[in-house]
Formats: sequence, structure tokens, C-alpha cells
Amino acid sequence: DAGVIQSPRHEVTEMGQEVTLRCKPISGHDYLFWYRQTMMRGLELLIYFNNNVPIDDSGMPEDRFSAKMPNASFSTLKIQPSEPRDSAVYFCASSSTSRDPDTQYFGPGTRLTVL
Amino acid sequence: KQEVTQIPAALSVPEGENLVLNCSFTDSAIYNLQWFRQDPGKGLTSLLLIQSSQREQTSGRLNASLDKSSGRSTLYIAASQPGDSATYLCAVKAGGFKTIFGAGTRLFVKA
Repeated sequence: DAGVIQSPRHEVTEMGQEVTLRCKPISGHDYLFWYRQTMMRGLELLIYFNNNVPIDDSGMPEDRFSAKMPNASFSTLKIQPSEPRDSAVYFCASSSTSRDPDTQYFGPGTRLTVL
Repeated sequence: KQEVTQIPAALSVPEGENLVLNCSFTDSAIYNLQWFRQDPGKGLTSLLLIQSSQREQTSGRLNASLDKSSGRSTLYIAASQPGDSATYLCAVKAGGFKTIFGAGTRLFVKA
């Protein structure tokens, strides 16, 4: 398996622009997580899905952030409009309830820089 | 509110040395505790997972312990190697899938 795939790996944009981050979970995994990592706040859970349905979005910082999972193999995290304080590394992770529910498999992350 | 603290924030040791990384958490009502490794520019890789009913887990040169009552865990690395250089994160999981991560310990093993 290719593991969790994220794109793009790096994104540089200007304040006010819309940013869309993409994630393809491991095939067969029923949970998908979006995290944000910064020096100041460490790794924070933003939102997670189970069987494509959002379960807990309490970590989403503001209404500027939204996430979707239209099918089992694809999810997006959108920031509109973006601000400099959104600069961080965004990770996607997936897990399988049936195989190993306690282990999340992380993607390589998307490094976002908002100028 | 659960908080996870890792000490030290950074550590530099010569190759071959045994070392201990520390993790503490404020709420002992946890489901499990995991230690992850993160290499620069990469995602996280799970190293060891300790269920709340367990005291320790071992994998190769790594040993993780858990003392739930005192809210502490340690990761012991034996005979450290330059390839062990990475950031090590501790994470606790309470109910559901809410996982709280520590800020990590950045380890550098000198050849």
C-alpha cells in the first residue's frame, strides 16, 4: 500500500487566497483525521471522519476552515480566506476499526505558508 | 482539560548511550498512550502503544513504561544510534478518538 497520500507537499500563498489541501487515506480505512502542527501549539486535531461522515470538528479553529470527505478515498481541507497565522504543517491520518483501531497512519504533511 | 508535557525539549547524546525521554499528562483517565517518531519533513510513525491496563511495552531497543496513577510515561532507548535522531512525541487518548500530543523531544545522537 502507498500509505496516506497528501497533496500538495508545499503550498505558498498570499493572505486572502483560498487554499485546498488534499488527502487520500489508506484503502479500506474507515477513519480519517486532519491535524495541524505548529511550533507554538504542537500537533492539534482539527476534525475527524468515520465512514465519510464528520464526527468531531471541535478542533477547527474558525469558520474559515472547512473539511469534506465526498467518498472513502478522498478528503479536502479548505481555508478561505487564508491568513498568515494559518501557516503550519497540516497532516492527514487514517485508521481502520477492524484491523488496528489504535494506530493512526500519518501522511507526509502539507507545509503551508501564507504570506 | 488533558495536557501532555514532554521533558526535555531537546537532547543531544553520544552514540551508544542509553537515554530516557519523559512524558507527563494531567488527567489519568486515559484509554492508551503512544510514542511516535517524527523525522524532519515527514509524518509520524507509531513506535509503541501502551493500553491503560498495561505497564510497559518493548520493541527492540525501545521500552516504554506507563504509570497511570502518577500521570507519567518514559521511553527508554538503549544503545542509541545516529539513526535514532528524530523528534519523539508522546500522545494520550481519552474517550473516542481525541488524541492529545505533547510538544515532543528533539533527539540528536552524535556519531
